[in-house]
Amino acid sequence: AQKVTQAQTEISVVEKEDVTLDCVYETRDTTYYLFWYKQPPSGELVFLIRRNSFDEQNEISGRYSWNFQKSTSSFNFTITASQVVDSAVYFCALSLPYNQGGKLIFGQGTELSVKP
Amino acid sequence: NAGVTQTPKFQVLKTGQSMTLQCAQDMNHEYMSWYRQDPGMGLRLIHYSVGAGITDQGEVPNGYNVSRSTTEDFPLRLLSAAPSQTSVYFCASSYSFRGQPQHFGDGTRLSIL
Repeated sequence: AQKVTQAQTEISVVEKEDVTLDCVYETRDTTYYLFWYKQPPSGELVFLIRRNSFDEQNEISGRYSWNFQKSTSSFNFTITASQVVDSAVYFCALSLPYNQGGKLIFGQGTELSVKP
Repeated sequence: NAGVTQTPKFQVLKTGQSMTLQCAQDMNHEYMSWYRQDPGMGLRLIHYSVGAGITDQGEVPNGYNVSRSTTEDFPLRLLSAAPSQTSVYFCASSYSFRGQPQHFGDGTRLSIL
């Protein structure tokens, strides 16, 4: 069965600290996609990144970076020099193949609090 | 650009009442879905549609119905509201179901008394 685990329920850091949000997934499929979404206090869900199972290159976007390792079934998200505006709930998600409807399986989310 | 529009934003119902949560997208997206978000449980898929006229069940479909008569609209119907359906509901759409990022509406906060 497919599953996404975000073991860190809550993380609290002080501004300018680096923080890593962990995501571990389970799937038997060889083709799949992984996502990260951000949910700020206002409640909307904001897409951050997509990675397919054949691309293990790490990605950096400004202060955000993602480390995808198939060997450990992990897709971790690091925020460098965190800011108060990064305070949000972050969700990791796994997309099933199209022959299974392409459904998204979400982790439980990690609530990040960045204090000034 | 409206994106994904959900109405209403808030609703309070009594147990046993029925209602329809509306969802519309103007991006000509093929794939639409409904999720519910409960504390500590992330988002769970209720129903989804891979195109007009085609719907299927997700992880938690009981107590909900959907239809997809047009590409733009994907309403979610609660047949007989129960307190366990108190939740925040999100509608999402994407260009296809082949691993495309999903665009989410702003959510509907539903309370069942």
